[in-house]
Amino acid sequence: AQTVTQSQPEMSVQEAETVTLSCTYDTSESDYYLFWYKQPPSRQMILVIRQEAYKQQNATENRFSVNFQKAAKSFSLKISDSQLGDAAMYFCAYRPTGNQFYFGTGTSLTVIP
Amino acid sequence: NAGVTQTPKFQVLKTGQSMTLQCAQDMNHEYMSWYRQDPGMGLRLIHYSVGAGITDQGEVPNGYNVSRSTTEDFPLRLLSAAPSQTSVYFCASSWGGDYNEKLFFGSGTQLSVL
Repeated sequence: AQTVTQSQPEMSVQEAETVTLSCTYDTSESDYYLFWYKQPPSRQMILVIRQEAYKQQNATENRFSVNFQKAAKSFSLKISDSQLGDAAMYFCAYRPTGNQFYFGTGTSLTVIP
Repeated sequence: NAGVTQTPKFQVLKTGQSMTLQCAQDMNHEYMSWYRQDPGMGLRLIHYSVGAGITDQGEVPNGYNVSRSTTEDFPLRLLSAAPSQTSVYFCASSWGGDYNEKLFFGSGTQLSVL
């Protein structure tokens, strides 16, 4: 079974500080993609960053970066210089070959001014 | 380019009523799917489709029906609503075949079953 685990239901960070959200997944596949989605109070799902499993280099998008550890099946999201607009629910997602996406239970991030 | 359009945004049903959540995309995506989002449970896949005329069950299909007669539309039918189906529903689509592609989401439907 494909599972995605986000062990931190809630996290908080001071504005301008750095926070890391954890995600682990279970798979027997060797080729797949990983995603982080952000869901602000508006409910809209927004792609933050994606990572190809065959790439060793960690993906980076401006203040967002990942730490991808394939052997450990770990895919954490680091948010640098946190801003008030980063407050949201964050979902980790895994996509193996085929079309299905598997989502974690989410981490609610609070940014403290 | 509207993306993924979901209607309605809010709906209240009584137990036993039926209804259809509409989903349409204008990006010629092969893959379309329905998720439900519940507190503490993330997004769970209900049904999905990889093309017109092809549908399959996801993790939580019971109580829901889908069909895909066109590439653009993928409605979700609740046959006899139950309070356990109170949830936020998302339709999402993607290009098929290349799993680098992200999911495009609709804006969601808040459904309450009394």
